[in-house]
Amino acid sequence: NAGVTQTPKFQVLKTGQSMTLQCAQDMNHEYMSWYRQDPGMGLRLIHYSVGAGITDQGEVPNGYNVSRSTTEDFPLRLLSAAPSQTSVYFCASSYKGRGPPEAFFGQGTRLTVV
Amino acid sequence: GQQVMQIPQYQHVQEGEDFTTYCNSSTTLSNIQWYKQRPGGHPVFLIQLVKSGEVKKQKRLTFQFGEAKKNSSLHITATQTTDVGTYFCAGPTGNQFYFGTGTSLTVIP
Repeated sequence: NAGVTQTPKFQVLKTGQSMTLQCAQDMNHEYMSWYRQDPGMGLRLIHYSVGAGITDQGEVPNGYNVSRSTTEDFPLRLLSAAPSQTSVYFCASSYKGRGPPEAFFGQGTRLTVV
Repeated sequence: GQQVMQIPQYQHVQEGEDFTTYCNSSTTLSNIQWYKQRPGGHPVFLIQLVKSGEVKKQKRLTFQFGEAKKNSSLHITATQTTDVGTYFCAGPTGNQFYFGTGTSLTVIP
């Protein structure tokens, strides 16, 4: 059971480049989300999804897009990378309404934008 | 929007001392969860509290949920070096799940 798999683990981008962070879970969780973690600011919610075909914005959605075409996958797209997007990104999944409540996190992606 | 604040931001303790982190929400929470993140790692679920005034224990860890369901605390008795990491509280508002700012614990051997 792989849990939540995030790729890549590390990435360096130049300002203006675009890229997609991949996230996949094999637990049949309805709820998936993306967070960014910056020093002193905890985990801030970027986007989330309550099921396939449904996505919504979190606290800090600007500069990011998501889609949820399947239950398993929830990619995060950076449209035009900026230095302010240098951060550690975590994908998480959990049951929504039924089953154990805890969120399972991926290993994280350390992104540097230069 | 909802804000979940934690204090202190950092805490250094001698091994064997106790440690407490406090979590305060600007809104009433239906439940609160606690996570631990080891240095360089990802957050890992510890526990969920649901009832007003609820207290739960896990070995040396004691978790409390306030009567008004707007605050919570995590207390560690007799810290060990394995307790090192950042502790986060988290709570839902609708379909959004907000994490606190975290408390980073350093344990000095």
